Amino acid sequence: EAGVAQSPRYKIIEKRQSVAFWCNPISGHATLYWYQQILGQGPKLLIQFQNNGVVDDSQLPKDRFSAERLKGVDSTLKIQPAKLEDSAVYLCASSLDSLAGAPYNEQFFGPGTRLTVL
Amino acid sequence: KQEVTQIPAALSVPEGENLVLNCSFTDSAIYNLQWFRQDPGKGLTSLLLIQSSQREQTSGRLNASLDKSSGRSTLYIAASQPGDSATYLCAVSGSGGGADGLTFGKGTHLIIQP
Repeated sequence: EAGVAQSPRYKIIEKRQSVAFWCNPISGHATLYWYQQILGQGPKLLIQFQNNGVVDDSQLPKDRFSAERLKGVDSTLKIQPAKLEDSAVYLCASSLDSLAGAPYNEQFFGPGTRLTVL
Repeated sequence: KQEVTQIPAALSVPEGENLVLNCSFTDSAIYNLQWFRQDPGKGLTSLLLIQSSQREQTSGRLNASLDKSSGRSTLYIAASQPGDSATYLCAVSGSGGGADGLTFGKGTHLIIQP
């Protein structure tokens, strides 16, 4: 079974530029998450999708970050304009919908995209 | 707001020792708890998941316990090996239906000396 795919793996941009990250979840996983992991910290949830609807985006800086999940499969996360403090690893994760009969809701993570803002 | 704390922040032990990593959380209303491993420059690998109704889970040399009422979990690693060197992260999921995002601790950076 293929895991969660993310691209690009690395990205270096200058502040005030824009950047986009792509995620393809495990086939059949209804729930998709984007996390931000700053160096030395644990990941922090940015946004959660259930199919193509947003469930939780309370920690997403909406003035500069946006995300979408068209057709309930792939997702993109965009930052515009980027700031120095956005330098981090952006992790995508997916899980089966617990309502669909998978009781454990285990989350599976992709390799991440390491963003450096200069 | 849920907060997760992991102790110690770093640990270095000789190969072959048994060791315990600790995790505590402030809100006991959780759906499940997951332990992850993160290697440098890599994503997270799920090690063990404990449902809120369970007390422990085992996988090979790993054993994770959960005391939900006191807000604590431990990850026990038996007969440590150099390949176990990594950062170990503890995360809890809220009780809002089971598909909540995870709240993570900062991790324990583990080094196993050959």
